[in-house]
Amino acid sequence: GAVVSQHPSWVICKSGTSVKIECRSLDFQATTMFWYRQFPKQSLMLMATSNEGSKATYEQGVEKDKFLINHASLTLSTLTVTSAHPEDSSFYICSANVGGRDTQYFGPGTRLTVL
Amino acid sequence: AQSVAQPEDQVNVAEGNPLTVKCTYSVSGNPYLFWYVQYPNRGLQFLLKYITGDNLVKGSYGFEAEFNKSQTSFHLKKPSALVSDSALYFCAVRTTDSWGKLQFGAGTQVVVTP
Repeated sequence: GAVVSQHPSWVICKSGTSVKIECRSLDFQATTMFWYRQFPKQSLMLMATSNEGSKATYEQGVEKDKFLINHASLTLSTLTVTSAHPEDSSFYICSANVGGRDTQYFGPGTRLTVL
Repeated sequence: AQSVAQPEDQVNVAEGNPLTVKCTYSVSGNPYLFWYVQYPNRGLQFLLKYITGDNLVKGSYGFEAEFNKSQTSFHLKKPSALVSDSALYFCAVRTTDSWGKLQFGAGTQVVVTP
């Protein structure tokens, strides 16, 4: 099946620093990847749609300058949380569609804790 | 606009008993419906989907779901629950935008007791 990986699986950083999270499709090419944020015991909130070779499309209320998304290749999308603050602490999950098919496959998630 | 509702925050079932997790949807046009499962501190795992065809969809780990157009429902079922089925279950509907975004329900926590 389609495998999506994320790195790191967890990260702790100081307030004011920037953190980069990588999302990779391991056995398929993904022209579109999605980034979600999830708070404990809550549903997933879509942050942005990442498209290879073009700018990401952000959902309403998501700060583009704070959550920088780059989709430089067909197998890699990155999310950079800039100038992180404690309220950015969350579980970040990426997903990808396989070759335009309907099913999204999800990465294992990255737990971000900002001190 | 598309939306899904999961009316139960939590479902408790004894091991060996049937498990049902409810989902209702609201879409314009034909629905693309999905079920995912999430274990603690993990990403989502795909269970099954309905795009078209048979109303009864069989998926992974013995799960199945029945698409009911008249009731706008897509309930997830398993005939005999296992303790290892304890997890958070999400119903989702694909939006009609060109990217294939998913709209998720709030999630239902399933607790299977020995």
